[in-house]
Amino acid sequence: GESVGLHLPTLSVQEGDNSIINCAYSNSASDYFIWYKQESGKGPQFIIDIRSNMDKRQGQRVTVLLNKTVKHLSLQIAATQPGDSAVYFCAEVSGGSYIPTFGRGTSLIVHP
Amino acid sequence: EPEVTQTPSHQVTQMGQEVILRCVPISNHLYFYWYRQILGQKVEFLVSFYNNEISEKSEIFDDQFSVERPDGSNFTLKIRSTKLEDSAMYFCASSERDSRSGANVLTFGAGSRLTVL
Repeated sequence: GESVGLHLPTLSVQEGDNSIINCAYSNSASDYFIWYKQESGKGPQFIIDIRSNMDKRQGQRVTVLLNKTVKHLSLQIAATQPGDSAVYFCAEVSGGSYIPTFGRGTSLIVHP
Repeated sequence: EPEVTQTPSHQVTQMGQEVILRCVPISNHLYFYWYRQILGQKVEFLVSFYNNEISEKSEIFDDQFSVERPDGSNFTLKIRSTKLEDSAMYFCASSERDSRSGANVLTFGAGSRLTVL
């Protein structure tokens, strides 16, 4: 399954599928980006980050892709598990600020 | 693993009352933040704090809000006269900053839910 930007706030997938969560950011001056995961009743938890001089970064089961030309960020989760069910936020940081500005969030629901 | 702790987890107050939300950041972090999240909405920045003073604040952080680091461990958010629209989850966060890479990974607490009646 694939989410088309944060205009589609819910993404439902089957366990074992790959998930792609998309984010369109607004500030062309942003040079640092972070994905956060927020489980129910908890605060946002850091997943992965990427700087604007990169277009791809991989972590454990997660990959972030950055396309600065169209100001688009995506989070790919491989072999999605029920424990991945959460709301995922992208956040952007503009040069000199250090303050992450959060996007709206996408709810990922993983069905066993 | 080090964590940010927040108290209370839930506070119910009457409109016009003062509220203080408390946070204990990670001990070796130097930068502190408050964000809020109104139910179902995105996480909004309120204020950042460094070296015992506010370093940045948003337009939400008006004169009704104040922050303080009263001792070496606590970081507080005070809302002087609460309004109905202050009802939200308030998250404290702390970070170290890597000025060379520009990385700034915030560690968030579990939040304090404020309900204003």
